[in-house]
Amino acid sequence: GAVVSQHPSRVICKSGTSVKIECRSLDFQATTMFWYRQFPKQSLMLMATSNEGSKATYEQGVEKDKFLINHASLTLSTLTVTSAHPEDSSFYICSARAPIGEAQYFGPGTRLTVL
Amino acid sequence: EDQVTQSPEALRLQEGESSSLNCSYTVSGLRGLFWYRQDPGKGPEFLFTLYSAGEEKEKERLKATLTKKESFLHITAPKPEDSATYLCAVQAGDYKLSFGAGTTVTVRA
Repeated sequence: GAVVSQHPSRVICKSGTSVKIECRSLDFQATTMFWYRQFPKQSLMLMATSNEGSKATYEQGVEKDKFLINHASLTLSTLTVTSAHPEDSSFYICSARAPIGEAQYFGPGTRLTVL
Repeated sequence: EDQVTQSPEALRLQEGESSSLNCSYTVSGLRGLFWYRQDPGKGPEFLFTLYSAGEEKEKERLKATLTKKESFLHITAPKPEDSATYLCAVQAGDYKLSFGAGTTVTVRA
């Protein structure tokens, strides 16, 4: 149980385009999902908290107009990187908070490369 | 602000050589301390949640313990497949996780 998937696993795009990443909880409902970013050899940095049916809460320094988050259902959250630039290249990982207990379960991550 | 410090940064072990990883933390109102394993290019894999000082949890060759200021992850008789980065995270009242930088463990056969 507690499986979280992400799609795509890898994406390469041109500068200026937008990219959408999907995060799904496959066997449980998640009212809260989280989006993280991880640079090489560094730990996970929380970008935003996504709550089903309401606006996302962004961490300080994260541009909400650049990183659009939608949590339309209890099993799906999406992150759209708008007008992507090379500095947005990173490993993006989502997590979903389990309905019982405090654990967060993570997706496999999406490697974004912006050329 | 919540702070999580992991040591050492890297640990190289011979197969069968037991060792411990440390996670020191400061947090207002700890809801839980979490251990994850992360393989290169993958998302973190949940290992343990610890809620209160004195609590211990085990899974195969791994054992996690918690005090009021730190947590230890003990690896007993490690195998090469235990090679990974081990992440510690704390959760306060708002369900957000604050991660440490991780300890990269390499186990040689």
